[in-house]
Amino acid sequence: LAKTTQPISMDSYEGQEVNITCSHNNIATNDYITWYQQFPSQGPRFIIQGYKTKVTNEVASLFIPADRKSSTLSLPRVSLSDTAVYYCLVGPYLISSGSARQLTFGSGTQLTVLP
Amino acid sequence: NAGVTQTPKFRVLKTGQSMTLLCAQDMNHEYMYWYRQDPGMGLRLIHYSVGEGTTAKGEVPDGYNVSRLKKQNFLLGLESAAPSQTSVYFCASSFIPLESGQGKDTQYFGPGTRLTVL
Repeated sequence: LAKTTQPISMDSYEGQEVNITCSHNNIATNDYITWYQQFPSQGPRFIIQGYKTKVTNEVASLFIPADRKSSTLSLPRVSLSDTAVYYCLVGPYLISSGSARQLTFGSGTQLTVLP
Repeated sequence: NAGVTQTPKFRVLKTGQSMTLLCAQDMNHEYMYWYRQDPGMGLRLIHYSVGEGTTAKGEVPDGYNVSRLKKQNFLLGLESAAPSQTSVYFCASSFIPLESGQGKDTQYFGPGTRLTVL
């Protein structure tokens, strides 16, 4: 399983773009990169997923370099409501009965958006 | 469409007691998961299921058992609770990727169950 490393915390101001980088040096060929957001007392919520290059949706962008050893979650123009913990998850997308799929979210990055 | 629901939301147990946490999803998902989250830490996978009648161990399975008798339900059991099992438990579900090579394993999480073992 690819181990991930993220900054423990980040601060930003409203309206700024925030980039959170995740390192995953041991990523495997069939691993995907998924980012989740978690608010206090809630379960994580899917933000974005990608395999290589760039992926964009209505809330974020995900940049993955050619070597795939890292990825960057980009949140455009953050607001106070984006204050949350962000998790980078790397792992195979397909599991089968009996296979040991170990999903580890790591400690995540606490993003605090200031007014 | 309620998504993923968990019962109960809170529970306090004494050491040695047993209990079952219920997870239900109405999205017809094949895969279901149980995680635990300790204060200030990420989620760790306890057990998972790839379909009705199947279960498998995750990263931290000791002290827990699971059952998936119906596709929509995934039960997590603690036979003899210990203080080390004090945690927040999250259930999640996901659908099978439709196409080979396409990563579509988006997990949908429940609201969590806060368990305290005294």
